[in-house]
Amino acid sequence: QKEVEQDPGPLSVPEGAIVSLNCTYSNSAFQYFMWYRQYSRKGPELLMYTYSSGNKEDGRFTAQVDKSSKYISLFIRDSQPSDSATYLCAMDSSYKLIFGSGTRLLVRP
Amino acid sequence: NAGVTQTPKFQVLKTGQSMTLQCAQDMNHNSMYWYRQDPGMGLRLIYYSASEGTTDKGEVPNGYNVSRLNKREFSLRLESAAPSQTSVYFCASSKGVGQDSYEQYFGPGTRLTVT
Repeated sequence: QKEVEQDPGPLSVPEGAIVSLNCTYSNSAFQYFMWYRQYSRKGPELLMYTYSSGNKEDGRFTAQVDKSSKYISLFIRDSQPSDSATYLCAMDSSYKLIFGSGTRLLVRP
Repeated sequence: NAGVTQTPKFQVLKTGQSMTLQCAQDMNHNSMYWYRQDPGMGLRLIYYSASEGTTDKGEVPNGYNVSRLNKREFSLRLESAAPSQTSVYFCASSKGVGQDSYEQYFGPGTRLTVT
Protein backbone atom coordinates (compact mmCIF):
# COMPACT_ATOMS: atom_id res chain seq x y z
CA GLN A 1 0.00 0.00 0.00
CA LYS A 2 1.32 3.43 -0.93
CA GLU A 3 1.80 5.94 1.88
CA VAL A 4 -0.15 8.56 -0.06
CA GLU A 5 -3.07 7.68 -2.34
CA GLN A 6 -4.64 9.97 -4.91
CA ASP A 7 -7.26 9.30 -7.56
CA PRO A 8 -5.57 9.86 -10.97
CA GLY A 9 -8.73 11.17 -12.66
CA PRO A 10 -9.12 12.73 -15.10
CA LEU A 11 -11.72 14.96 -13.48
CA SER A 12 -13.64 17.01 -16.03
CA VAL A 13 -15.82 19.92 -14.85
CA PRO A 14 -17.48 22.94 -16.51
CA GLU A 15 -16.06 26.40 -15.97
CA GLY A 16 -17.34 27.94 -12.75
CA ALA A 17 -17.78 24.62 -10.93
CA ILE A 18 -16.45 23.92 -7.45
CA VAL A 19 -13.74 21.28 -7.64
CA SER A 20 -12.78 18.91 -4.85
CA LEU A 21 -9.45 17.07 -5.02
CA ASN A 22 -8.52 14.56 -2.35
CA CYS A 23 -5.70 12.46 -0.91
CA THR A 24 -5.62 9.80 1.74
CA TYR A 25 -2.53 8.77 3.66
CA SER A 26 -1.46 6.05 6.05
CA ASN A 27 1.32 7.60 8.14
CA SER A 28 -0.09 9.44 11.16
CA ALA A 29 3.30 11.13 11.69
CA PHE A 30 2.77 13.49 8.76
CA GLN A 31 2.42 17.07 10.01
CA TYR A 32 2.69 19.25 6.90
CA PHE A 33 0.47 18.87 3.87
CA MET A 34 1.21 20.47 0.54
CA TRP A 35 -0.58 20.89 -2.77
CA TYR A 36 1.49 21.29 -5.91
CA ARG A 37 0.11 22.15 -9.36
CA GLN A 38 1.75 20.82 -12.51
CA TYR A 39 0.90 22.07 -15.98
CA SER A 40 1.50 19.75 -18.92
CA ARG A 41 5.22 19.28 -19.66
CA LYS A 42 6.26 21.60 -16.81
CA GLY A 43 7.67 21.11 -13.34
CA PRO A 44 5.35 21.21 -10.30
CA GLU A 45 4.86 24.47 -8.41
CA LEU A 46 3.72 24.88 -4.82
CA LEU A 47 0.13 26.10 -4.47
CA MET A 48 -0.24 26.08 -0.70
CA TYR A 49 0.57 24.16 2.42
CA THR A 50 -1.06 23.60 5.80
CA TYR A 51 0.22 22.45 9.15
CA SER A 52 -1.68 19.81 11.09
CA SER A 53 -5.49 19.88 10.96
CA GLY A 54 -7.80 22.64 9.82
CA ASN A 55 -8.45 24.84 6.83
CA LYS A 56 -6.36 27.34 4.92
CA GLU A 57 -7.71 29.67 2.28
CA ASP A 58 -5.87 31.50 -0.50
CA GLY A 59 -8.06 33.25 -3.02
CA ARG A 60 -10.16 30.64 -4.84
CA PHE A 61 -8.26 27.78 -3.21
CA THR A 62 -8.98 26.15 0.15
CA ALA A 63 -6.89 23.36 1.65
CA GLN A 64 -8.45 21.17 4.32
CA VAL A 65 -6.80 18.58 6.55
CA ASP A 66 -8.60 15.96 8.64
CA LYS A 67 -5.90 14.10 10.55
CA SER A 68 -8.39 11.86 12.35
CA SER A 69 -9.47 10.44 8.98
CA LYS A 70 -6.02 10.79 7.37
CA TYR A 71 -7.67 12.72 4.55
CA ILE A 72 -6.78 16.01 2.88
CA SER A 73 -8.68 18.03 0.30
CA LEU A 74 -8.14 20.94 -2.03
CA PHE A 75 -11.21 22.92 -3.08
CA ILE A 76 -11.18 25.24 -6.07
CA ARG A 77 -14.04 27.73 -6.30
CA ASP A 78 -15.19 29.29 -9.57
CA SER A 79 -12.88 27.00 -11.54
CA GLN A 80 -11.28 28.43 -14.69
CA PRO A 81 -9.87 26.75 -17.83
CA SER A 82 -6.47 27.97 -16.62
CA ASP A 83 -6.86 25.66 -13.60
CA SER A 84 -6.58 22.66 -15.95
CA ALA A 85 -3.49 20.85 -14.67
CA THR A 86 -2.41 17.90 -12.56
CA TYR A 87 -2.64 18.47 -8.81
CA LEU A 88 -0.26 16.58 -6.55
CA CYS A 89 -0.58 16.33 -2.82
CA ALA A 90 2.62 15.96 -0.79
CA MET A 91 3.44 15.27 2.84
CA ASP A 92 6.51 15.66 5.00
CA SER A 93 8.65 12.69 5.91
CA SER A 94 11.97 13.34 7.67
CA TYR A 95 12.72 16.59 5.82
CA LYS A 96 11.67 15.07 2.53
CA LEU A 97 8.37 15.04 0.64
CA ILE A 98 6.22 12.05 -0.24
CA PHE A 99 4.08 12.86 -3.27
CA GLY A 100 0.77 11.43 -4.37
CA SER A 101 0.54 10.32 -8.00
CA GLY A 102 -1.55 13.36 -8.95
CA THR A 103 -5.11 14.04 -10.15
CA ARG A 104 -5.56 15.43 -13.64
CA LEU A 105 -8.17 18.21 -13.77
CA LEU A 106 -9.79 19.55 -16.93
CA VAL A 107 -11.99 22.63 -16.71
CA ARG A 108 -14.15 22.95 -19.82
CA PRO A 109 -14.97 26.47 -21.10
CA ASN B 1 16.35 34.98 -12.40
CA ALA B 2 16.12 31.70 -14.27
CA GLY B 3 15.17 29.68 -11.16
CA VAL B 4 16.05 26.02 -11.68
CA THR B 5 17.46 25.02 -15.06
CA GLN B 6 18.04 21.51 -16.38
CA THR B 7 19.92 20.18 -19.37
CA PRO B 8 19.24 18.42 -21.62
CA LYS B 9 15.47 18.71 -22.16
CA PHE B 10 15.28 15.42 -24.08
CA GLN B 11 17.62 12.45 -24.41
CA VAL B 12 17.48 9.02 -26.00
CA LEU B 13 20.00 6.45 -24.82
CA LYS B 14 20.73 2.86 -25.72
CA THR B 15 20.84 0.27 -22.95
CA GLY B 16 24.24 0.35 -21.26
CA GLN B 17 25.13 3.90 -22.25
CA SER B 18 25.93 6.49 -19.60
CA MET B 19 24.95 10.13 -19.26
CA THR B 20 24.83 13.00 -16.80
CA LEU B 21 21.83 15.24 -16.22
CA GLN B 22 22.76 18.74 -15.19
CA CYS B 23 20.86 21.02 -12.81
CA ALA B 24 21.59 24.55 -11.63
CA GLN B 25 19.70 27.02 -9.44
CA ASP B 26 20.26 30.74 -8.99
CA MET B 27 18.14 31.29 -5.87
CA ASN B 28 20.99 30.74 -3.37
CA HIS B 29 19.18 27.66 -2.05
CA ASN B 30 20.99 25.26 0.23
CA SER B 31 19.10 22.05 -0.61
CA MET B 32 18.66 20.31 -3.95
CA TYR B 33 16.80 17.20 -5.07
CA TRP B 34 16.46 14.79 -7.97
CA TYR B 35 13.11 13.12 -8.67
CA ARG B 36 11.76 10.84 -11.35
CA GLN B 37 8.13 10.93 -12.46
CA ASP B 38 6.45 7.92 -13.99
CA PRO B 39 2.78 7.48 -14.95
CA GLY B 40 0.73 6.37 -11.95
CA MET B 41 3.74 6.58 -9.61
CA GLY B 42 3.96 10.28 -8.89
CA LEU B 43 7.26 11.92 -8.04
CA ARG B 44 9.80 9.67 -6.39
CA LEU B 45 12.94 11.00 -4.76
CA ILE B 46 16.18 9.58 -6.14
CA TYR B 47 18.82 11.55 -4.21
CA TYR B 48 18.97 14.81 -2.34
CA SER B 49 21.60 17.19 -1.03
CA ALA B 50 20.65 18.96 2.18
CA SER B 51 23.59 21.34 1.84
CA GLU B 52 26.74 21.82 -0.19
CA GLY B 53 29.07 18.87 0.39
CA THR B 54 26.39 16.38 1.45
CA THR B 55 24.27 13.91 -0.49
CA ASP B 56 21.82 11.24 0.66
CA LYS B 57 19.79 8.49 -0.92
CA GLY B 58 16.09 8.88 -1.47
CA GLU B 59 13.44 6.30 -2.24
CA VAL B 60 14.83 4.95 -5.56
CA PRO B 61 18.64 5.49 -5.70
CA ASN B 62 19.70 2.25 -7.42
CA GLY B 63 21.37 2.81 -10.79
CA TYR B 64 22.12 6.49 -10.12
CA ASN B 65 24.90 8.60 -8.68
CA VAL B 66 24.93 12.30 -7.83
CA SER B 67 27.43 15.09 -7.36
CA ARG B 68 26.83 18.36 -5.56
CA LEU B 69 29.42 20.31 -7.53
CA ASN B 70 28.92 23.56 -5.63
CA LYS B 71 26.02 25.41 -4.02
CA ARG B 72 24.38 26.07 -7.40
CA GLU B 73 24.83 22.77 -9.22
CA PHE B 74 23.64 19.22 -8.60
CA SER B 75 24.15 16.55 -11.27
CA LEU B 76 22.63 13.09 -11.69
CA ARG B 77 24.57 10.33 -13.46
CA LEU B 78 23.31 7.13 -15.00
CA GLU B 79 26.34 4.84 -15.30
CA SER B 80 24.70 2.07 -17.35
CA ALA B 81 21.24 3.03 -18.52
CA ALA B 82 18.42 0.48 -18.45
CA PRO B 83 14.94 0.64 -20.03
CA SER B 84 13.47 0.84 -16.49
CA GLN B 85 15.12 4.26 -16.21
CA THR B 86 12.93 5.68 -18.96
CA SER B 87 11.20 8.53 -17.16
CA VAL B 88 10.91 12.29 -16.73
CA TYR B 89 13.55 13.59 -14.35
CA PHE B 90 13.03 16.73 -12.29
CA CYS B 91 15.55 18.69 -10.30
CA ALA B 92 14.29 20.85 -7.44
CA SER B 93 15.72 23.16 -4.82
CA SER B 94 14.62 24.62 -1.49
CA LYS B 95 15.99 27.15 1.00
CA GLY B 96 16.98 24.39 3.37
CA VAL B 97 15.82 21.37 5.32
CA GLY B 98 12.99 21.00 7.81
CA GLN B 99 10.06 23.29 7.09
CA ASP B 100 12.13 25.03 4.43
CA SER B 101 12.17 21.81 2.41
CA TYR B 102 8.43 21.82 1.85
CA GLU B 103 8.49 24.69 -0.63
CA GLN B 104 10.47 23.25 -3.48
CA TYR B 105 11.14 24.93 -6.80
CA PHE B 106 11.26 22.58 -9.76
CA GLY B 107 13.04 22.72 -13.08
CA PRO B 108 11.31 22.02 -16.42
CA GLY B 109 12.37 18.36 -16.48
CA THR B 110 14.42 16.06 -18.71
CA ARG B 111 12.56 13.43 -20.74
CA LEU B 112 14.78 10.36 -20.97
CA THR B 113 14.08 7.32 -23.11
CA VAL B 114 16.29 4.22 -22.86
CA THR B 115 15.89 1.74 -25.72
